Amino acid sequence: DADVTQTPRNRITKTGKRIMLECSQTKGHDRMYWYRQDPGLGLQLIYYSFDVKDINKGEISDGYSVSRQAQAKFSLSLESAIPNQTALYFCATSVNRDGQPQHFGDGTRLSIL
Amino acid sequence: AQSVTQLGSHVSVSEGALVLLRCNYSSSVPPYLFWYVQYPNQGLQLLLKYTSAATLVKGINGFEAEFKKSETSFHLTKPSAHMSDAAEYFCAVSEGGGFKTIFGAGTRLFVKA
Repeated sequence: DADVTQTPRNRITKTGKRIMLECSQTKGHDRMYWYRQDPGLGLQLIYYSFDVKDINKGEISDGYSVSRQAQAKFSLSLESAIPNQTALYFCATSVNRDGQPQHFGDGTRLSIL
Repeated sequence: AQSVTQLGSHVSVSEGALVLLRCNYSSSVPPYLFWYVQYPNQGLQLLLKYTSAATLVKGINGFEAEFKKSETSFHLTKPSAHMSDAAEYFCAVSEGGGFKTIFGAGTRLFVKA
């Protein structure tokens, strides 16, 4: 089984819909991250969490929200999806002492029509 | 503010040839530097990292990178390319291993038979 699992892997939806992307990990890491990848732009940080009670905004948090349900689970929500949120979304984890994202899920490809 | 510039969005080499992927960074403090690799339909994998110890860093799959402060560079090299090296490579920088890691736009490596 993968260390970091993202569901769904692909999603097509319509403008205005609420969408939740889920991430679970078996690494036992405290830090979890949500990134967005757009062609030619690399990865941009949406939200990150140091532990269950500590959630922080990243570079591009507008239009997104998150929930850290447990150490192993970190969900990303789009409250009212818009077409420019079409992208590839990644969840990642790390241990506190390293800081940088270490383990990534395989991504969720999200298309908003 | 930190930033990363990867020179060349696409690089093509022949199998057995030297691989050189260029990365320049900007940071107001001594940086931590990373290279990640992304294979199709997968998340990113950490190839190697520099955290102020030895300036020549060896990573997985025969890759290495050299930190050159005077040139603000952290180029990735491999002496002999394999077909399996074809992927997208991302350079990244963070401040002292902190939570905020900035990614470059990526360089796609093509390996010709």
